[in-house]
Amino acid sequence: GAVVSQHPSWVICKSGTSVKIECRSLDFQATTMFWYRQFPKQSLMLMATSNEGSKATYEQGVEKDKFLINHASLTLSTLTVTSAHPEDSSFYICSAAPAGGRETQYFGPGTRLLVL
Amino acid sequence: EDQVTQSPEALRLQEGESSSLNCSYTVSGLRGLFWYRQDPGKGPEFLFTLYSAGEEKEKERLKATLTKKESFLHITAPKPEDSATYLCAVQVYGQNFVFGPGTRLSVLP
Repeated sequence: GAVVSQHPSWVICKSGTSVKIECRSLDFQATTMFWYRQFPKQSLMLMATSNEGSKATYEQGVEKDKFLINHASLTLSTLTVTSAHPEDSSFYICSAAPAGGRETQYFGPGTRLLVL
Repeated sequence: EDQVTQSPEALRLQEGESSSLNCSYTVSGLRGLFWYRQDPGKGPEFLFTLYSAGEEKEKERLKATLTKKESFLHITAPKPEDSATYLCAVQVYGQNFVFGPGTRLSVLP
């Protein structure tokens, strides 16, 4: 149980285009989903927290207009990287926390984004 | 400020050579401490949750323990397939998870 999927697993795009990444909890309902960014050989950096039906909370330094997050249902959150540039190239990982509080976050497999 | 540190940064073991990884934390109110394993190019895989000092959890060759200031992940007789980065994270009351930088473990055959 507690499986989280991400799609796509990798994407290459041209500079200036927008990219959407989907995160789904497959066998549980997630009132809260998290989006992280990870650079090579570094730990996870939390970008934003999204709660179903409300606006996402962004961490300091993360541009909300560039990284659009939508938590449309209890099993789906999307991250859209708008007008992507090469510096946005990274490994993006989502996680989902089951409703009820004390459990851990369950992570998706990650999406590798390369902006040319 | 809530902080999580991990040591060592990298660890190389021979197969069968037991060792421990450390996660030290300074937080205002610990709700839970979590251990994850991450393989290259993949998302973290959940291993353990610890909630209170003195608690221990075991899974195969791994055993996690918790004190008021730190947690240890003991690896007994490791195998090459245990090679990965091990992350710990703490959850503070009213806040999100704070992740440590990770320990890169290599187990040589």
